[in-house]
Order: sequence, then C-alpha cells, then structure tokens
Amino acid sequence: EAGVTQFPSHSVIEKGQTVTLRCDPISGHDNLYWYRRVMGKEIKFLLHFVKESKQDESGMPNNRFLAERTGGTYSTLKVQPAELEDSGVYFCASSQALGKHYNEQFFGPGTRLTVL
Amino acid sequence: GQSLEQPSEVTAVEGAIVQINCTYQTSGFYGLSWYQQHDGGAPTFLSYNALDGLEETGRFSSFLSRSDSYGYLLLQELQMKDSASYFCAVRSNYQLIWGAGTKLIIKP
Repeated sequence: EAGVTQFPSHSVIEKGQTVTLRCDPISGHDNLYWYRRVMGKEIKFLLHFVKESKQDESGMPNNRFLAERTGGTYSTLKVQPAELEDSGVYFCASSQALGKHYNEQFFGPGTRLTVL
Repeated sequence: GQSLEQPSEVTAVEGAIVQINCTYQTSGFYGLSWYQQHDGGAPTFLSYNALDGLEETGRFSSFLSRSDSYGYLLLQELQMKDSASYFCAVRSNYQLIWGAGTKLIIKP
C-alpha cells in the first residue's frame, strides 16, 4: 500500500511569488490534514478535510493560504503571495474515517519551503 | 492558551528504559497521541490513549492520566535505531495540538 506522498520535496521561491504544494493521501482515507513546522518550533495544525469538505480550517494563518481538495482525493495548498515567515516544512497526513484507526494519522515526508 | 510541555532532550544507554513525560493544557481533550520522527523524516504514529491507563505495544508503552493532564511514553530495551524525536500531541476536536518534541539520544 502506497503511503502519503507530497510534492515537491523542496521549494525555494522569492518573497511575493506563489507556490502550490500537493498531497496525495493513502487511498481510501477520507481525512486529510495539513500541518506546518517552522524552524525550531512545534508542529502546527493548519486544516482538516473530510473528503472534499473543510472540517476545520482554524489553523490557517491568513488569507494568503488556500487549500483545496477537489473530488476528495488529493489536496493542494497554495501560498500567494509568499512571505519570509512562511518558510518551514509543510506536512500532510491522512487517516481513516471511522473505527480505531481514526486517530492514527499517516504522514507524508513533507515539503520544505524556503522563501527568500 | 493551549500548550504541551515535554523535555527538550533525554539521554539514555542502549538496552535501558526511558520515560518521556508530557503535560498538557488544552481547551478540549479527546486523547493523547505519540509520534516518532527521525531526522528529516515523516512523523510516525506510535500510540493513542483516550482513556486513563497504560497501553502496551511491543517495546513501547504509553500512559495517560486525564485527571492530572499528564501522559508518558515508555521505551524499553532501547536500541540505537530508537534515536529520534518523540512528540506528544493532544487531539482537541478535529485537530492535533503538538508538543515541541523530545530528542532522544542513545549512547552505546
């Protein structure tokens, strides 16, 4: 079974540019999460999809961040325009909808974003 | 505010037992998770405690006391491959609130 995949693995952009991160969850996982870890700080929740619907987007820092999950499969996270403080590692995770495995989140390898 | 406290670093000897503590203060609580992360890698799920008590999975055990807002991860028979960062995370409604992580250093 393929795990959670993220693309790209690294992205270096200049302030003011746009970047789009992609996450492909494990097939059949309805729950998809985005997290961010800024250098030296704890992992922070950004938002949670259940299928194509946003269940909780309270962690999105501002309106420069836009997440979508059209069709309930893969998800994209767009940052437009990027600022220096957006640099960090963006993780995506997925989990099953129900049952004892609901709380077991499977993480992707992350996208390391550097804004210059 | 919402916060989780765990030691920044713990050192132990190969073959020994180590306990990593986590105290939390969150507005909602459904359960406490533990994740392992090797340098540059993806966090990997270790355990989830929703109820008080000890859960054992092989060499790893996790404990929760909801009345004390406290939990710990116990690693037994330490192996060099256990060198990693360990994160506690509280499930609060639909999101996970994370601690800053504990770096476990294992010496031969």
